[in-house]
Amino acid sequence: GAVVSQHPSWVICKSGTSVKIECRSLDFQATTMFWYRQFPKQSLMLMATSNEGSKATYEQGVEKDKFLINHASLTLSTLTVTSAHPEDSSFYICSASAGEKLFFGSGTQLSVL
Amino acid sequence: GENVEQHPSTLSVQEGDSAVIKCTYSDSASNYFPWYKQELGKRPQLIIDIRSNVGEKKDQRIAVTLNKTAKHFSLHITETQPEDSAVYFCAALEYGNKLVFGAGTILRVKS
Repeated sequence: GAVVSQHPSWVICKSGTSVKIECRSLDFQATTMFWYRQFPKQSLMLMATSNEGSKATYEQGVEKDKFLINHASLTLSTLTVTSAHPEDSSFYICSASAGEKLFFGSGTQLSVL
Repeated sequence: GENVEQHPSTLSVQEGDSAVIKCTYSDSASNYFPWYKQELGKRPQLIIDIRSNVGEKKDQRIAVTLNKTAKHFSLHITETQPEDSAVYFCAALEYGNKLVFGAGTILRVKS
């Protein structure tokens, strides 16, 4: 299947700082990427849809000014968690569409102290 | 929008037995239904998928059935092995190419 790379795999940061997470499609071009958040023992909750060359579409209840998404090329989307707080601690995972199939990055475990 | 319900939330089976996980969806326009397996701390892995023009699909020990009229689909794992233990998610593709996930099923295969 298609390969989606995500970095970093884990990050610990201080409250109030910003964290950037990268998602790359390695062997295919992805005009659309998706960002999910997953709490322990829960399902994947879609945060936003990242569209190459245009603004991201956020799901209801997701603060667009807090979770900045940039999809500058057909193979890279970034999620920046701005002014992170402990409640932002979670597993963040990206995905990219190859046709109708969705392939996931390896995820980023964010811990905000 | 699409709503996907998944049952059971946990499932324990003896090694060698079969496991069945069921999902229902709400949007009759959905036409693509994948299943993902997620091990602890790892990414979800696509294990099988089915389109709405097909009623059943098999891949070795894994099969998926779809009843479009009733809007439900199921994952069947035969001859379960300990390495099948994981969380399984069903999903339905809604408008905008967005996948809506079920709540997940923790499968434990006891040896």
